[in-house]
Amino acid sequence: ETGVTQSPTHLIKTRGQQVTLRCSSQSGHNTVSWYQQALGQGPQFIFQYYREEENGRGNFPPRFSGLQFPNYSSELNVNALELDDSALYLCASSGRRGGYNEQFFGPGTRLTVL
Amino acid sequence: DAKTTQPNSMESNEEEPVHLPCNHSTISGTDYIHWYRQLPSQGPEYVIHGLTSNVNNRMASLAIAEDRKSSTLILHRATLRDAAVYYCIHVPTGNTPLVFGKGTRLSVIA
Repeated sequence: ETGVTQSPTHLIKTRGQQVTLRCSSQSGHNTVSWYQQALGQGPQFIFQYYREEENGRGNFPPRFSGLQFPNYSSELNVNALELDDSALYLCASSGRRGGYNEQFFGPGTRLTVL
Repeated sequence: DAKTTQPNSMESNEEEPVHLPCNHSTISGTDYIHWYRQLPSQGPEYVIHGLTSNVNNRMASLAIAEDRKSSTLILHRATLRDAAVYYCIHVPTGNTPLVFGKGTRLSVIA
């Protein structure tokens, strides 16, 4: 069983640029969630995709957008980068099992905005 | 906002048991209690979950108070590889996102 993978591992951008982060979900999972983790903080929910549709969104501005593809992989796009966007971006995949959904996280993409 | 309260940090000696507490006084009757941990330079990983009864798996045990307002994650014999930030989260049924707090940073001393 292949785990959740993310690319790239690290990325450096400058203010105002745009970035695309990618996530391949675990085999058999139809849901991908994206989280932002600032240094020293717990991950914060950005949005979730279920079967290619956005299925919930956290308190993030519209310049954070995403996509999910038919194979359930996903992209996170951030436009007009700001210094505060520097963080670890995590994706997690899940699939329904009974009454709960264990989420499987990737290793994250470390984004630095200069 | 996170709905759970955990100590910021704890320390344990290697090979000793560790009890990590969590208060979740606003938990609803159908929310599960999940624990995740995040090792250095990695994404969070699932540890254990429960609803009402105590639970055991190969990683840990979860003791849930009778009123469900608190729980304790038990690592029976801490190893250096257990050094991580441990997050207690209550999760409604369904495909809902996780709401992380700051968690408890566990240090394990050899």
